[in-house]
This record gives sequence, C-alpha cells and structure tokens, in this order.
Amino acid sequence: DIQMTQSPSSLSASVGDRVTITCRASQSIGSNLNWYQQKPGKAPTLLIYGASSLQSGVPSSFSGSGSGTDFTLTISSLQPEDFATYYCQQSYITPRTFGQGTKVEIK
Amino acid sequence: QVQLQESGPGLVKPSQTLSLTCTVSGGSISSGNYYWNWIRQPAGKGLEWIGRIYTSGITNYNPSLKSRVTISIDTSKNQFTLNLSSVTVADTAVYYCVRDVAVSGQFDYWGQGTLVTVSS
Repeated sequence: DIQMTQSPSSLSASVGDRVTITCRASQSIGSNLNWYQQKPGKAPTLLIYGASSLQSGVPSSFSGSGSGTDFTLTISSLQPEDFATYYCQQSYITPRTFGQGTKVEIK
Repeated sequence: QVQLQESGPGLVKPSQTLSLTCTVSGGSISSGNYYWNWIRQPAGKGLEWIGRIYTSGITNYNPSLKSRVTISIDTSKNQFTLNLSSVTVADTAVYYCVRDVAVSGQFDYWGQGTLVTVSS
C-alpha cells in the first residue's frame, strides 16, 4: 500500500492567514493526488483533484501543487468557513489511501 | 445533481454480517464513467477505503478487509451494496458510499454517511 503522510497534524491560524498543508507519498504517484475538506459531522467534500485542478464550486483561495511524492494544499486567505480537517488521497493505485488529516483550528 | 444515500441497520452484533445499501439518484449507476465505492471512518479517526465496484460487476477491495468484504451492484435499482462479515467492535464507524471518476480517481460525490455500531 502507498502510505500518505500529512504535516502538520494540526495547526492554529487566524482569519486572513495563508495556510499550507503538505502531503508526502511513500512512492511516486505522479499527479494522482486529491484533497478533501471535512467539517464535523459531515461527509468530506472534494477540493482539488489531479494535484492542482480546482473542483467546480470551490473558492479560488484554494490551490494545490506538486507531483511525484510531495504535494501542497494552500489556502491563500483563511476564511471562517475554512476551519475544518483536510485530507489528501492518492488515486494512483488501489487500495486507495488517505493521509491522516490536518485539523485547521482558530487561533 | 447526483445524490447518494446509505441505508441499513445502525446496530450489528459481533460475528454477524454488516449490510448496507447505497441508492444513487440524479444519474445512472450504469454509466461507464464511474466506480462506486465504500469508505469508512471510525469516530475521531481518518478515512479508510473499503472497496469499489464498476458497472460491469468488477470489484477491487482493500487487502486489509478483502477476506470479509463483498460489494455488489443492482443496476435495475440504481443501487450497490456492502456486506462485511464477521464484524467486531473495530468495525464500528460511519460508512460512506462514494462515487469516483474512473479516469482520474477522485471521489466527487459522497453520501451523508451512516453510523454502524457493532455491539452485543
């Protein structure tokens, strides 16, 4: 299985801050990396697919980059509705695997 | 707008079989562009992919669960089903049914999730 490791596991930030979350794969996955946002009690929602493509309806404040083994999710200006847990996921091979999550909390 | 809805018992006894059905609306499950997945999440923990099925009936399972998992599809009802046998308390989780885009693999539509508790 491909192991996905996110860092940090949690972070505290203020509204308006620029936030960066990283995800590392245990082997090269090309650009087959997706990002999700999950709020408490809700299902995850797709933010970014193919490492850098913005899902329809997702604010342009979200962006993704990277290829191979190292990937980044950036929120350019954190909004109150962005406080949530974020997961990366590889779609290179099965079994599909997720990072452990990064919880973004209010400072 | 595609919608997925999980249904099934919220309580299952240890050693029994967990069975959940996902009903898809707003689109055909027979579309060749998608796989249909089950993903679970124990309380306070991360996401675990269980497996998926294609419209043809071809399946892929997580090796960690493969011996206990069966996913089937009923295109006439626009539904797919998860069976997980010999459950233990470790199988207690919120179970999601999820669509993924076959060509690129992202999970683009999720059900709301259903909590299944394994307890005697």
